Amino acid sequence: GESVGLHLPTLSVQEGDNSIINCAYSNSASDYFIWYKQESGKGPQFIIDIRSNMDKRQGQRVTVLLNKTVKHLSLQIAATQPGDSAVYFCAENISPGGGADGLTFGKGTHLIIQP
Amino acid sequence: EPEVTQTPSHQVTQMGQEVILRCVPISNHLYFYWYRQILGQKVEFLVSFYNNEISEKSEIFDDQFSVERPDGSNFTLKIRSTKLEDSAMYFCASKGLLSQETQYFGPGTRLLVL
Repeated sequence: GESVGLHLPTLSVQEGDNSIINCAYSNSASDYFIWYKQESGKGPQFIIDIRSNMDKRQGQRVTVLLNKTVKHLSLQIAATQPGDSAVYFCAENISPGGGADGLTFGKGTHLIIQP
Repeated sequence: EPEVTQTPSHQVTQMGQEVILRCVPISNHLYFYWYRQILGQKVEFLVSFYNNEISEKSEIFDDQFSVERPDGSNFTLKIRSTKLEDSAMYFCASKGLLSQETQYFGPGTRLLVL
């Protein structure tokens, strides 16, 4: 079936460097995408989202890029800090009416920040 | 900052027993969700709930599962007869009308079925 998936299971970067986490989705009907961060033993924490009518959105130290042509989503984290170490999930949703649809999550990328 | 809370944080039960997982969504939120995450795997959608009824459910959410909003604050997930494969983290999430599609997750309940 259609699903959201991640390219790399583990990404290791030096503290202070920028990191890019990628995600591919296959459902062309998806119109809303979210990145979540999950620290060990905790629930997913919302980072940033983007709707399908946009191709870029920026937050504090994070940028999400959406390429609908190739169905690709990326999360860029600038100037990584030790606290950025976590598993990052992309998730997608089809919400024609903004309703109660559940999110479809990817498998997750474990980001490790090296001191 | 308001947050979703869940109890208990851990639950150990025997196969075949019933369990009830509890969640207190963010107040003034109107959409409620349950997800599960088997160890080392991705988060999977179970069910969504709005206006006191189930809005959507996945294939995982079979007859063994039920949800309820018994009062104005709690949202519960009941597993009637637990199986070994029900062992997982169960996350509750909520979403408000004004927050568009952003779902906020609780810390989860770790369920272990022996």
